[in-house]
Amino acid sequence: GAGVSQSPSNKVTEKGKDVELRCDPISGHTALYWYRQSLGQGLEFLIYFQGNSAPDKSGLPSDRFSAERTGGSVSTLTIQRTQQEDSAVYLCASSFLDTGSPLHFGNGTRLTVT
Amino acid sequence: SQQGEEDPQALSIQEGENATMNCSYKTSINNLQWYRQNSGRGLVHLILIRSNEREKHSGRLRVTLDTSKKSSSLLITASRAADTASYFCATQGNFNKFYFGSGTKLNVKP
Repeated sequence: GAGVSQSPSNKVTEKGKDVELRCDPISGHTALYWYRQSLGQGLEFLIYFQGNSAPDKSGLPSDRFSAERTGGSVSTLTIQRTQQEDSAVYLCASSFLDTGSPLHFGNGTRLTVT
Repeated sequence: SQQGEEDPQALSIQEGENATMNCSYKTSINNLQWYRQNSGRGLVHLILIRSNEREKHSGRLRVTLDTSKKSSSLLITASRAADTASYFCATQGNFNKFYFGSGTKLNVKP
C-alpha cells in the first residue's frame, strides 16, 4: 500500500516568505507527527496530532510555525516569515494511536531559505 | 530534554564484523524503538522492545534494554555494506510521543 507522502520534496525560498509543507499519512493512521532534522543531526520534535484530541504543539520553535490536520488525514506545516535557520529537512510520520505502533516516515521536505 | 543520546556518533567497520550502538535516555518509557535512515530518506522502523523486556532479536539484529540504567544497545551481526546508514533510538512514553536520539552513523566497508 501507499506510504507516507510529503510534498514538495525540495523547497527553496527567500528569507521572509511563507512556506507550506504537506503530509499525506497512511490511510487509517490516527496519529501524525512532524519532526525537523538539521544536516547530520537528530530529529527535533515539532508537533503531534493524536486522533480528535488537541494537538501537542510543545515542540514548535516559535509562533512563526503552525500546523493543521484537516479531516483527520492530510496535514500542513506552515512557516511564516522564513529565516535562514529554518533550513532543514522536515519529516512527517504517522502511526496507529496505540502505544507500541511504529512510526512510518515520509521522505521529508528539504527546505532551503536563502 | 527527553531526547536520548547515542554513542558512538560514528562507527566504521569492515563487512562481516559486528556493529554495536548504544542509546541512553532520561525519562521513564513505555517502549524503545530503533530506526534506520539511509541518506536523503525517511526513517524506517527496525525493532521495538517494551519496558518489561530485556532482550529482543530480529534476524541479524539484537536489542537489549536496561531500564535501571536507562540505556539500550543495538547489535548488528555479520554486517554488510548495505547496512551503511544512520541508526536512531526513539523512546515512547505514556502519551505516545516519540523522542529521538542524535543517531549513530554506521559505515560498513566492503
